[in-house]
Amino acid sequence: AQKITQTQPGMFVQEKEAVTLDCTYDTSDPSYGLFWYKQPSSGEMIFLIYQGSYDQQNATEGRYSLNFQKARKSANLVISASQLGDSAMYFCAIGGHYGQNFVFGPGTRLSVLP
Amino acid sequence: ETGVTQTPRHLVMGMTNKKSLKCEQHLGHNAMYWYKQSAKKPLELMFVYSLEERVENNSVPSRFSPECPNSSHLFLHLHTLQPEDSALYLCASSQELVRVAYNEQFFGPGTRLTVL
Repeated sequence: AQKITQTQPGMFVQEKEAVTLDCTYDTSDPSYGLFWYKQPSSGEMIFLIYQGSYDQQNATEGRYSLNFQKARKSANLVISASQLGDSAMYFCAIGGHYGQNFVFGPGTRLSVLP
Repeated sequence: ETGVTQTPRHLVMGMTNKKSLKCEQHLGHNAMYWYKQSAKKPLELMFVYSLEERVENNSVPSRFSPECPNSSHLFLHLHTLQPEDSALYLCASSQELVRVAYNEQFFGPGTRLTVL
């Protein structure tokens, strides 16, 4: 079974500063993907970034980057230059080889302070 | 309409009611999913459909009944629900089921369900 752990239930960051949201995972699948989603108060889940288990380089998408450390089974999300609109719940998720193994973590609530 | 849409956005129902949630994806994807998001709990995968065939049912009570008439539409039929079923129900789709690690899921806005 796959498992995602997000140990930070809530985080605060000052506007324009960088913040790291932690994610550790456990899986027995040799091939998997790690995903980060953002969920604003409106409820929709917004895909942010993806990292494949065999990717050699850390994924980056604009202000989002994923610090992937395979040996430690961690996939932390780094948001640079935080904006007020970044305030939301952030979910780390893992997808195994088949859709039925897609598992989300409990999420981290990020609050960006002006 | 683009992406994944869900209707209704909000639903209040009694325990004896029968209602249905609807999800439609306009992305040409082959796999669709139902998730339940309760307060203070991680997202729970309920059902997975691939090419209109159910491939996973994660120990969901029978009072939840999914239906996938075609690859673009997914329904969740509800009957005799309990107050603890109150949650946000999210629908998602992905290009393929197999090798989902390389296929991100696109989510709808969700239906916020309240069972009285």
